[in-house]
Amino acid sequence: AQSVTQLDSQVPVFEEAPVELRCNYSSSVSVYLFWYVQYPNQGLQLLLKYLSGSTLVKGINGFEAEFNKSQTSFHLRKPSVHISDTAEYFCAVSENNYGQNFVFGPGTRLSVLP
Amino acid sequence: EPEVTQTPSHQVTQMGQEVILRCVPISNHLYFYWYRQILGQKVEFLVSFYNNEISEKSEIFDDQFSVERPDGSNFTLKIRSTKLEDSAMYFCASRILLNTEAFFGQGTRLTVV
Repeated sequence: AQSVTQLDSQVPVFEEAPVELRCNYSSSVSVYLFWYVQYPNQGLQLLLKYLSGSTLVKGINGFEAEFNKSQTSFHLRKPSVHISDTAEYFCAVSENNYGQNFVFGPGTRLSVLP
Repeated sequence: EPEVTQTPSHQVTQMGQEVILRCVPISNHLYFYWYRQILGQKVEFLVSFYNNEISEKSEIFDDQFSVERPDGSNFTLKIRSTKLEDSAMYFCASRILLNTEAFFGQGTRLTVV
């Protein structure tokens, strides 16, 4: 069974600074990887996804993530954050087999400070 | 743009009562899910549903829970006898294929009093 770790529960950062939110996963089979964002009192919105191909994927709102198979990581980055990026960010993994479960990490709360 | 819709957005129920949370997945999607998020905590998998049967369920999904796809459009989660600890945001999701992302509804906030 797959699992997802997000080591940083909270990340405070000043506006216009770069940010990296870390995600590591474990799985015995190949996986698909996703980042979702949850703004306060809202649902889950897909930021970006890795299914196959290029390991560097770009998403909405200027975010990007890089899949590193050897390190089993899928870290999320943004070169310059805005106040509006304040939200909870969830990394998720789905195994490429009959197991259809979509497993989420515990989440990282990004707080962008003025 | 197609979306997953959930009703109601907020439901308050008394402990011991039955509740049914409703979801309308995206029409051509084949895989359906329920997740829950207790306030301030992680998003937890409850159950997945494919080809009119449960394909996987978590330890949380005990005998008090059931899911149904009564017609071609709705996907429901029933909690037979609610407990205080069932209070959470419940998210429905659907995906068309395994190698695609899941689309989430806006959630139903269930409050058990």
